[in-house]
Amino acid sequence: EVQLVESGGGLVQPGRSLKLSCAASGFTFSNYYMAWVRQAPKKGLEWVATISTSGSRTYYPDSVKGRFTISRDNAKSSLYLQMNSLKSEDTATYYCARQMYTTALDYWGQGVMVTVSS
Amino acid sequence: EIVLTQSPTTTAASPGEKVTITCLASSSVSNMYWYQQKSGASPKLLIYSTSSLASGVPDRFSGSGSGTSYSLTINTMEAEDAATYYCQQWSSNPLTFGSGTKLEIK
Repeated sequence: EVQLVESGGGLVQPGRSLKLSCAASGFTFSNYYMAWVRQAPKKGLEWVATISTSGSRTYYPDSVKGRFTISRDNAKSSLYLQMNSLKSEDTATYYCARQMYTTALDYWGQGVMVTVSS
Repeated sequence: EIVLTQSPTTTAASPGEKVTITCLASSSVSNMYWYQQKSGASPKLLIYSTSSLASGVPDRFSGSGSGTSYSLTINTMEAEDAATYYCQQWSSNPLTFGSGTKLEIK
């Protein structure tokens, strides 16, 4: 059974940093692209980042480029999201998702809440 | 950026009724993906590559379309289908989602 379990969320002040983790199990992690998607309270879905199987390629929207860094450790079947210079508009539930190459997101974690506030 | 416009924004259907949700893209895309998100839960993939059913998804769900116009159809509405539905594309950077269609049961 595919499982994705996020951790590392919480309350953080604007301008500070936070690192999210996602522990994957039930599939060969190194064979899949992985992604982060977020959802602000009562809002829709927003893609945050995608990483290739080896980690050599990463993709970001302009809204987080230069502030967020996606990475992975295939030996640990783990995905990460380093978030720097956090803003109030980064407040959201962050989901880790398995990605079918550069297409669909076929499995999602339960999400972790990040609140950026002073 | 390709903007995906979903319609309707909100709708309600009776059990057994047919429901169609539309997703219009601001530029042509090669494929569309559809997700279902129930209240308080994570999104779940329903349809990939425009018309292929994801694993475990009931066959009352179907997808179709091409170019800039895509749709998700529920053939016979069931109470458990009450949820918010999102379309998604990555034919062009960045990956984008539609703003969602909330489907309620009458």
